[in-house]
Amino acid sequence: AQTVTQSQPEMSVQEAETVTLSCTYDTSESDYYLFWYKQPPSRQMILVIRQEAYKQQNATENRFSVNFQKAAKSFSLKISDSQLGDAAMYFCAYRSATGANSKLTFGKGITLSVRP
Amino acid sequence: GAGVSQSPSNKVTEKGKDVELRCDPISGHTALYWYRQSLGQGLEFLIYFQGNSAPDKSGLPSDRFSAERTGGSVSTLTIQRTQQEDSAVYLCASSLVGGLAKNIQYFGAGTRLSVL
Repeated sequence: AQTVTQSQPEMSVQEAETVTLSCTYDTSESDYYLFWYKQPPSRQMILVIRQEAYKQQNATENRFSVNFQKAAKSFSLKISDSQLGDAAMYFCAYRSATGANSKLTFGKGITLSVRP
Repeated sequence: GAGVSQSPSNKVTEKGKDVELRCDPISGHTALYWYRQSLGQGLEFLIYFQGNSAPDKSGLPSDRFSAERTGGSVSTLTIQRTQQEDSAVYLCASSLVGGLAKNIQYFGAGTRLSVL
């Protein structure tokens, strides 16, 4: 079974600065997808960024980028120019690219606070 | 285009009562997922529906939990004889199957269930 580990329960960043959220995962599969979701107090999970395992290039979405290290099974999220609206819980998630069930396996999440 | 809609937003019930939670997926999304988010267990997969196929119920924690999806659209998650450990946020997600967007799950705001 696949597992996703987010070892930092909380992090804090100064507004306008950069922060990196860590995630590691364990799998025996070679083809899969990785995601970062943001969950604000409204509870609705919002997709921040995704990465296909077969792609070597790291995904980027505006101020958000990932450092995907397939051999190390590491998938960190970098938030540049942090904004107050970035404060939320962030979840790393894994999805197999094979099999009939495309369920997500989540890490425990990290609470990010942004200091003005 | 509305997003995934869940109702009720909050539900308070007494131990031993049955509850029904509703999920209305994004129109055209054939895949529907239920997850449970609790303090102790994080985010856990419960059940997955895809089209007319038999649902994957492998994540349901006990036989008190059941779910159905009528007409390939709206889904209801039923918890019978609720227990205090059922208190959690129940999240629903939907996705397309096939095409470039098939691996993106869109979430509702969840139902917060409190069992007294």
